[in-house]
Amino acid sequence: GQQVMQIPQYQHVQEGEDFTTYCNSSTTLSNIQWYKQRPGGHPVFLIQLVKSGEVKKQKRLTFQFGEAKKNSSLHITATQTTDVGTYFCAGPRQGGSEKLVFGKGTKLTVNP
Amino acid sequence: EPEVTQTPSHQVTQMGQEVILRCVPISNHLYFYWYRQILGQKVEFLVSFYNNEISEKSEIFDDQFSVERPDGSNFTLKIRSTKLEDSAMYFCASMGPARFAFFGQGTRLTVV
Repeated sequence: GQQVMQIPQYQHVQEGEDFTTYCNSSTTLSNIQWYKQRPGGHPVFLIQLVKSGEVKKQKRLTFQFGEAKKNSSLHITATQTTDVGTYFCAGPRQGGSEKLVFGKGTKLTVNP
Repeated sequence: EPEVTQTPSHQVTQMGQEVILRCVPISNHLYFYWYRQILGQKVEFLVSFYNNEISEKSEIFDDQFSVERPDGSNFTLKIRSTKLEDSAMYFCASMGPARFAFFGQGTRLTVV
């Protein structure tokens, strides 16, 4: 079945450092979505990328969708303590159902 | 802002007992999901529901699990005979025309 892999599983940074998490799907995705889950919270939608090669920015966050629509990355510039949480990518398989398959997530901790 | 509401927030049950987890999805959404997250692990797909029927289910969603939309607003997950390994956070999510998921706050199920 469809698998979504994320690396790294954990990342610990000093405040002000950059952070990147990578997502790879075993199948072509119709779109890729990123969610953030704060400790003790629920996943909250951040962004959706649909087009091959698409890049979107939200303030210090930059999201990319690969040309083959099978991989994606999230880059945070100059991390802040408010960025702490687990970042999940998720996507429905292209031509498949609306089932969202989540990666294992990257847990980010930020040292002030 | 629209939100998905889940009740109860925490449920403790004896092994072998039945539990019903309740969700009120966002009113104009058409796709509904249940996900499970064991502490510290990834968000696992259980089941998706569309047009008043299950559209897809995972291998976790065995005969002990069932879902219903009894009255057009509530969406419930029933576990018939709970096992210790069913202890997890259960998230309900709904998806609208924009094709990304809104998650509820979750129900923490503890089976003792």
